[in-house]
Amino acid sequence: DAGVTQSPTHLIKTRGQQVTLRCSPKSGHDTVSWYQQALGQGPQFIFQYYEEEERQRGNFPDRFSGHQFPNYSSELNVNALLLGDSALYLCASSLQTGITTNEKLFFGSGTQLSVL
Amino acid sequence: AQKITQTQPGMFVQEKEAVTLDCTYDTSDPSYGLFWYKQPSSGEMIFLIYQGSYDQQNATEGRYSLNFQKARKSANLVISASQLGDSAMYFCAMRDLQAGTYKYIFGTGTRLKVLA
Repeated sequence: DAGVTQSPTHLIKTRGQQVTLRCSPKSGHDTVSWYQQALGQGPQFIFQYYEEEERQRGNFPDRFSGHQFPNYSSELNVNALLLGDSALYLCASSLQTGITTNEKLFFGSGTQLSVL
Repeated sequence: AQKITQTQPGMFVQEKEAVTLDCTYDTSDPSYGLFWYKQPSSGEMIFLIYQGSYDQQNATEGRYSLNFQKARKSANLVISASQLGDSAMYFCAMRDLQAGTYKYIFGTGTRLKVLA
């Protein structure tokens, strides 16, 4: 049973560039969330996708955008990269069961983005 | 606003002993869930244990138990019989269980080192 997979594992970009990160959810999961984890901090919620729509968004600028495909995989796009965007980007998947307490997040190992 | 506070940046414990990792939270919502995740150096966040705000008993999952004190707004993680493989970052997280809210709020984490 494949867990959450993310690609690439590491990425180096320069300021002003654009980046796309990819995530495949755990088998059977239909919901994908993205989190940003800066060094020494806990993860910060970016947004969640369900049924190919952005369902909720955290306090991140419009430079951060995403997409969910019919097979439930997802992409996170960041435009006009800033030095402060350097972080570990975590993808998490879950299954909508209608019983909120059962909707545990399963995380991937993340993409480490370095902006120079 | 919701907030998670973890006041212990780092903890040491001797192998086979028990250790308590502290977590306090703040929310005005009556219905919420509290989670603990483990993050090894690989980066993946691993779900450990869940406690719902209306659960009468403290949650347990194998060697993990959650000491839930609702009046004090604390949700401490207790790891019994520590193992070397328990060395990792530990994050406390909260999710508002009201409809339309999907984000998790994470604390800054506690780095646990188990000594042989």
